[in-house]
Amino acid sequence: NAGVMQNPRHLVRRRGQEARLRCSPMKGHSHVYWYRQLPEEGLKFMVYLQKENIIDESGMPKERFSAEFPKEGPSILRIQQVVRGDSAAYFCASSLAARDLISNQPQHFGDGTRLSIL
Amino acid sequence: DAKTTQPPSMDCAEGRAANLPCNHSTISGNEYVYWYRQIHSQGPQYIIHGLKNNETNEMASLIITEDRKSSTLILPHATLRDTAVYYCIVRRPLNTGTASKLTFGTGTRLQVTL
Repeated sequence: NAGVMQNPRHLVRRRGQEARLRCSPMKGHSHVYWYRQLPEEGLKFMVYLQKENIIDESGMPKERFSAEFPKEGPSILRIQQVVRGDSAAYFCASSLAARDLISNQPQHFGDGTRLSIL
Repeated sequence: DAKTTQPPSMDCAEGRAANLPCNHSTISGNEYVYWYRQIHSQGPQYIIHGLKNNETNEMASLIITEDRKSSTLILPHATLRDTAVYYCIVRRPLNTGTASKLTFGTGTRLQVTL
């Protein structure tokens, strides 16, 4: 069973360009999460999506960042007009839907996309 | 989410058990304890989680105190490949709003040595 697949592994962009990061969840997983890890810092939650719906975007910067998880295809994290401060590792995680509101399903992570802004 | 406190670093000899402590004194009755680890340049790896009872899987054991204010992750026979940053995370169940996100702290940097 393949794990969470993220591509590209490394992405280099110049300031002002757009960055598109892709995430294919584990087979059967309908929940996707994006996290960002700035250099020498811990992982910070960005957004939580279910198929075609954004459930929690409390960690997303208000401008330039957007995420989607369409009915078909991978989840996409899009960063418009990138700046140097966007340089980071971006991790995607996926999980099964919970059986009920009380149970927990662990999130499984991909190996990330390392974004470098020149 | 309840805040967790972990020692910043620990050493362990290869072949020995590694016992990683975590304090979560403000944990609520319905919050789970999760453990992840992150090996350099890789994504976080899920290890184990529990609510009240002790748990064991092929990777590790999780011991949760009766009052649930602390827990210990046990790697029974540490190897060099277990060198990583280990994160203890308390997570709400799904019926409490924005509960699904994981809040990572600074973790414990475990160094396994020969």
